[in-house]
Amino acid sequence: DAKTTQPNSMESNEEEPVHLPCNHSTISGTDYIHWYRQLPSQGPEYVIHGLTSNVNNRMASLAIAEDRKSSTLILHRATLRDAAVYYCILRDDAGKSTFGDGTTLTVKP
Amino acid sequence: DTGVSQNPRHKITKRGQNVTFRCDPISEHNRLYWYRQTLGQGPEFLTYFQNEAQLEKSRLLSDRFSAERPKGSFSTLEIQRTEQGDSAMYLCASSVYFHEQYFGPGTRLTVT
Repeated sequence: DAKTTQPNSMESNEEEPVHLPCNHSTISGTDYIHWYRQLPSQGPEYVIHGLTSNVNNRMASLAIAEDRKSSTLILHRATLRDAAVYYCILRDDAGKSTFGDGTTLTVKP
Repeated sequence: DTGVSQNPRHKITKRGQNVTFRCDPISEHNRLYWYRQTLGQGPEFLTYFQNEAQLEKSRLLSDRFSAERPKGSFSTLEIQRTEQGDSAMYLCASSVYFHEQYFGPGTRLTVT
């Protein structure tokens, strides 16, 4: 299974942008890049996904490197409610996902 | 639609007992996934169904674990002869084919 590498933890100040990096050097041509986040005592929540082009939705933006070996999740203005564990995962065309240990984002007021 | 639901939310059992968890996916979703998550770790894939067919099982799914999805609707995950190492959060997710997954709140199992 293709793997992703993320920093264990990151900190941000409230209302500032946050860039969460992810490396996936073994990505295959048909793998989609998905991001989920998990708040304490809850199941993971879908954030955004993409294949090759940058993507925007109401929650975040996803910037994908041209060679697709890395991506960055961008939260434009972090709020205290964005404090969570963020997972970058690769989904193959069978839909199977392999989660790593994610990045714990701390947002300081 | 209220999303993916899981029951029970918490289960405490004694070692050696059998337990069964239920997952009700979002109604139009044809895929259903089971994951296990221990403290501080990301979810680990266990198995998934497309409609009623179980398409893949992880090596983590020992012969004490069995999952079913009769009629392609709800799913059950049974653990026989529970061990302390089975203590974890069991997460269910559903999706439309390989699109984004929607997770339930999980069932926390404690084996004493």
